Amino acid sequence: GAVVSQHPSWVICKSGTSVKIECRSLDFQATTMFWYRQFPKQSLMLMATSNEGSKATYEQGVEKDKFLINHASLTLSTLTVTSAHPEDSSFYICSASEGGRAVEQFFGPGTRLTVL
Amino acid sequence: QKEVEQDPGPLSVPEGAIVSLNCTYSNSAFQYFMWYRQYSRKGPELLMYTYSSGNKEDGRFTAQVDKSSKYISLFIRDSQPSDSATYLCAMMYNNAGNMLTFGGGTRLMVKP
Repeated sequence: GAVVSQHPSWVICKSGTSVKIECRSLDFQATTMFWYRQFPKQSLMLMATSNEGSKATYEQGVEKDKFLINHASLTLSTLTVTSAHPEDSSFYICSASEGGRAVEQFFGPGTRLTVL
Repeated sequence: QKEVEQDPGPLSVPEGAIVSLNCTYSNSAFQYFMWYRQYSRKGPELLMYTYSSGNKEDGRFTAQVDKSSKYISLFIRDSQPSDSATYLCAMMYNNAGNMLTFGGGTRLMVKP
């Protein structure tokens, strides 16, 4: 149980285009989902927290207009990188937790974004 | 100073060795302490978590928390090549906020 999937697993796009990444909880209802980015050989940096049906809460320094997060259902959250630039290239990972099991966050496999 | 410090390694050990991974932290408000394993180009996998001080054992893994010293450890007994990965410690203030603060990760290599 407690499986989180992400799609796509990797994406290459041209500078200026937008990219949407999906995060799904497959066997539980994710009341809260988190989005992280990870640079090579570095730890995870929290970008934003989203609760189902509410606006996401962004961490300091993360541009909310650039990284659009939608958590429309208890099993799906999306991250859209708008007008992507090469410096947005990174490994994006989502995690999800269920009410009552809040300390257990289950991570997706990650999405590698390369912006040319 | 980072809130959570972790030696990046790499830590190289022979198969069968006991591995000790550690993190220190500065904020005494942390109450939940987690250990994650991350294979290359994969998402982190929760190994175990503990609440407050004490020990917790799960198979070959033992987690220890010493809140008085702000120091946590993960021990791996009878290490296997398949344990080769990056190990991330993470901490949480309480069960309500859900926000994890990660250490930088320690890369472990277990050689056959």
